[in-house]
Amino acid sequence: NAGVTQTPKFRVLKTGQSMTLLCAQDMNHEYMYWYRQDPGMGLRLIHYSVGEGTTAKGEVPDGYNVSRLKKQNFLLGLESAAPSQTSVYFCASSSHGKTSLGANVLTFGAGSRLTVL
Amino acid sequence: DAKTTQPPSMDCAEGRAANLPCNHSTISGNEYVYWYRQIHSQGPQYIIHGLKNNETNEMASLIITEDRKSSTLILPHATLRDTAVYYCIVRANAGNNRKLIWGLGTSLAVNP
Repeated sequence: NAGVTQTPKFRVLKTGQSMTLLCAQDMNHEYMYWYRQDPGMGLRLIHYSVGEGTTAKGEVPDGYNVSRLKKQNFLLGLESAAPSQTSVYFCASSSHGKTSLGANVLTFGAGSRLTVL
Repeated sequence: DAKTTQPPSMDCAEGRAANLPCNHSTISGNEYVYWYRQIHSQGPQYIIHGLKNNETNEMASLIITEDRKSSTLILPHATLRDTAVYYCIVRANAGNNRKLIWGLGTSLAVNP
């Protein structure tokens, strides 16, 4: 199993450019999440999805859009990148947690480091 | 989900046990204690979780006090590869993870 795969791993953008981060999971998880991690701060939730075709805002959604057209994929888009969006982005997935012990573990991808100049 | 308090940093000698504390005094009866760790530049990795009984797996042991207001993660024989930031999180076991509060965790340095 590959688990959670994020692409690209690194990207440099100029202010105003757009881009999409792709997250793919092969664990048949219902829930998927996008986080950002900045120095001196904990992980902050950007957007999340509780199933195919659904998305919802997290703690810091401004400037980002997401889509989940297929259960295994969760896309994070930046329509007009700003320097404040320079960060490391992590995608994660989890099951619905209604079953046995260990069913609500988050599995993270390796991260995507984005720099906006 | 309840908030947790962890020391910002700890040191441990290689081969010795690393005991990482976590306070969660406002934990609710249906909330579990989860531990994750993040090795430099990688995504966080699940370690262990428990409700009220002590738990052990191939990575670590989790000791939860009887009143459930605090817990300790134990790495029995720390290696240099255990150098990481360790996060303690409490949450109900069902539902999605949108309300998880990720603090700054404890930065554990395992020294040779």
